[in-house]
Amino acid sequence: DTAVSQTPKYLVTQMGNDKSIKCEQNLGHDTMYWYKQDSKKFLKIMFSYNNKELIINETVPNRFSPKSPDKAHLNLHINSLELGDSAVYFCASTLPGLRGGYTFGSGTRLTVV
Amino acid sequence: GENVEQHPSTLSVQEGDSAVIKCTYSDSASNYFPWYKQELGKRPQLIIDIRSNVGEKKDQRIAVTLNKTAKHFSLHITETQPEDSAVYFCAASIPGNQFYFGTGTSLTVIP
Repeated sequence: DTAVSQTPKYLVTQMGNDKSIKCEQNLGHDTMYWYKQDSKKFLKIMFSYNNKELIINETVPNRFSPKSPDKAHLNLHINSLELGDSAVYFCASTLPGLRGGYTFGSGTRLTVV
Repeated sequence: GENVEQHPSTLSVQEGDSAVIKCTYSDSASNYFPWYKQELGKRPQLIIDIRSNVGEKKDQRIAVTLNKTAKHFSLHITETQPEDSAVYFCAASIPGNQFYFGTGTSLTVIP
């Protein structure tokens, strides 16, 4: 009965590869996010979708492409992975108006070698 | 957008002492301020929040205070325990669709 689930939990891949991370929430939330947490622990917003519509698109390389097939799912595809993409990626979701704050997924630790 | 600053970046306290983490924000329209706790290798989890129409909120050993005039808010943890050791993030939101996070405080409680 996990509220926000991400897969995979760990991802080790070589430079230049393409990979995807998946996120699903069963909370009935309308808004979902992708955050990147680097080694200094800073939480940097990347994208947000509200009911399948892209509403936040921060300055990230266009190698990163989000996709929301429905309001319960938000996936992140990364092309041509680089060493600097190594980080923990968190999915999060929330109710309209940010009521109750974010519920975060368990994170995906991406290591590019 | 909003700019949230958080201090200190690291904090060590003896078990049983109090810990205080402070945040400032820039946009006077911000009206909701949650605090998240992130244990090592885990996800950030909401521990307490406060809205702009309230000056203080308590939940057992944790409390948050808000000074709207000065645009700062603080997290207070009393009678700290080793399990309080974690990274704590403050956040602020202007009425809208995202939180702006502080840079985090790594709290270590020494037994």
